[in-house]
Amino acid sequence: QIQLQESGPGLVKPSGTLSLTCAVSGASISNSNWWSWVRQTPGKGLEWIGEVSHSGSTNYNPSLRGRVTISVDKSKNQFSLKLNSVTAADTAVYYCARDFLFDYYYSMDVWGKGTTVTVSS
Amino acid sequence: DIQMTQSPPSLSASVGDRVTITCRASQTISTYLNWYQQRPGEAPKLLIYAASFLQSGVSSRFSGSGSGTEFTLTISSLQPEDFAIYYCQQSYRGFTFGPGTKVDVK
Repeated sequence: QIQLQESGPGLVKPSGTLSLTCAVSGASISNSNWWSWVRQTPGKGLEWIGEVSHSGSTNYNPSLRGRVTISVDKSKNQFSLKLNSVTAADTAVYYCARDFLFDYYYSMDVWGKGTTVTVSS
Repeated sequence: DIQMTQSPPSLSASVGDRVTITCRASQTISTYLNWYQQRPGEAPKLLIYAASFLQSGVSSRFSGSGSGTEFTLTISSLQPEDFAIYYCQQSYRGFTFGPGTKVDVK
């Protein structure tokens, strides 16, 4: 049974870089096409950050493009998120998820439990 | 950007009630529409994908319909474990979530 687990610092200073990793267990990251990061705040709700393929291709939310980098490490069966120049507005619960492909339709069928990141000095 | 709206923002219902939630997209998205359930303290859970396909393991009391810009999620007979927040999500271009509909106890 596939499981995802987010990890990383829970506190990041303003203007710093938020770095999170999602470890995939129960399946090879190379077997599924795309892997996403999603965040949730009380104010903006659920927001898709971006996705990475098993080969390293990426797609990002235009609202965050320029600050975000998502990468994959097949040797460790994990993928990562880096968000630069963070502000208090980036305080959120961050989730990693697997993109599920049915025909031409994508959804997110497996999620990590989420990790809370607070941006504060 | 494709914007998603949901109505109502919240509703109160009783066990056994039939519940319907509406989701609208700012432009046509065919049937690139998913529904999720989120209970407090948990990650979202996929219920319906491609507008009307029931995710494996999800109760058949959940159903989805619609295409283009208007979609509905129906719970045929509300159960105690269904009190939660429900989100729609478009996957036509990137992903965008709706603001959610909270279903609570009447």
